[in-house]
Amino acid sequence: EVQLVESGGGLVQPGGSLRLSCAVSGFIFSSYSMNWVRQAPGKGLEWVSYISSSSNTIYYADSVKGRFTISRDNAKNSLYLQMNSLRDEDTAMYYCAKDCNIWGQGTMVTVSS
Amino acid sequence: QAVVTQEPSLTVSPGGTVTLTCGSSTGTVTSGHYPYWFQQKPGQAPRTLIYNTINQHSWTPARFSGSLLGGKAALTLSGAQPEDEGDYYCLLSYSGALVFGGGTKLTVL
Repeated sequence: EVQLVESGGGLVQPGGSLRLSCAVSGFIFSSYSMNWVRQAPGKGLEWVSYISSSSNTIYYADSVKGRFTISRDNAKNSLYLQMNSLRDEDTAMYYCAKDCNIWGQGTMVTVSS
Repeated sequence: QAVVTQEPSLTVSPGGTVTLTCGSSTGTVTSGHYPYWFQQKPGQAPRTLIYNTINQHSWTPARFSGSLLGGKAALTLSGAQPEDEGDYYCLLSYSGALVFGGGTKLTVL
């Protein structure tokens, strides 16, 4: 069974940092691209970042470019999102997704003083 | 950055048919945008229904189908069920970016 489990969310002050993780199982992680997608409370879905299977290609939404860094460790079947210089508007549920086909349950990030 | 547009809300009668659309500010939506459709119910993670315009997953009810229609991507629900009520999002791929539509709140009433 394919599983994606996000962790690392929590409450952080504006300007702070967090590192999200996504542990995967049930498929050959190294063969698939991955995405991070977020959803602010009561709002729609927003794509955040993409990483190819070998990490050769990486894309970011303009709203996070220069502040967030996506990475992966294929040996550990894990995807990461390093989030720096966090803002109030980064408050959201963060989902990892295998391609855009299989989704985790999300981890909540709250940026507030 | 491109803007992807969806109907904010639609209502369908039980057993009825409804079509949700997904347009792009850059022009005609094609298979090269690799359209996706997602369903989300309150308190749940999104679930992918359709990928690459027309392809269904094993868990996608047969009553959902994807297509290109009138320059947009389309999701058609034929024979709506009460459990189909929820939010529906489309996703289009552009060079170096993915963009979600604003979502359609579907009511089955």
